[in-house]
Amino acid sequence: DAGVTQSPTHLIKTRGQHVTLRCSPISGHKSVSWYQQVLGQGPQFIFQYYEKEERGRGNFPDRFSARQFPNYSSELNVNALLLGDSALYLCASSSEDREKLFFGSGTQLSVL
Amino acid sequence: SQQGEEDPQALSIQEGENATMNCSYKTSINNLQWYRQNSGRGLVHLILIRSNEREKHSGRLRVTLDTSKKSSSLLITASRAADTASYFCATAYNTDKLIFGTGTRLQVFP
Repeated sequence: DAGVTQSPTHLIKTRGQHVTLRCSPISGHKSVSWYQQVLGQGPQFIFQYYEKEERGRGNFPDRFSARQFPNYSSELNVNALLLGDSALYLCASSSEDREKLFFGSGTQLSVL
Repeated sequence: SQQGEEDPQALSIQEGENATMNCSYKTSINNLQWYRQNSGRGLVHLILIRSNEREKHSGRLRVTLDTSKKSSSLLITASRAADTASYFCATAYNTDKLIFGTGTRLQVFP
């Protein structure tokens, strides 16, 4: 079975632009979470979606939004990019118990 | 904000030695998990310990949890060069999110 897949793997944007990151969970997993990891730090929680509904939101501005589709894949959107948004964005899926997370390899976003 | 603080921030050992990493957290939890990250890419789940458990083993991994001190430790026995990675503790209050610590960078020299 395929693991969690994220696209693209790398992305370079300029300040003020917007970006869309995509994630496909492990087959059968209905929960998807998004994390931001700045270099040298641990991952910070952004969103969790379960059965297409937002179940949790971290301390991020409204420029960050996400959604989950009927096939349980997910998109993370960031508007009006700032230099500080440069980070590794990680997607994770989990099974029905929503405990253990399975992570994708991440999207490395650089904002210039 | 980060919930967990890990100690040490970095650890260098020789192959065959044991590696111990510690994690402290601030509030009551449902469970605590440890993850490994190689080269700044995706994290891999290692082990989960629930708040009513005190110790858990998985292969060469041993995790302890002391809820009275709000702390946990991860012991890797007989370390290998392939264990070189960053290790993160993560705490869960409910099923909505995990809060990760700051991580320990482990370097195992052959």
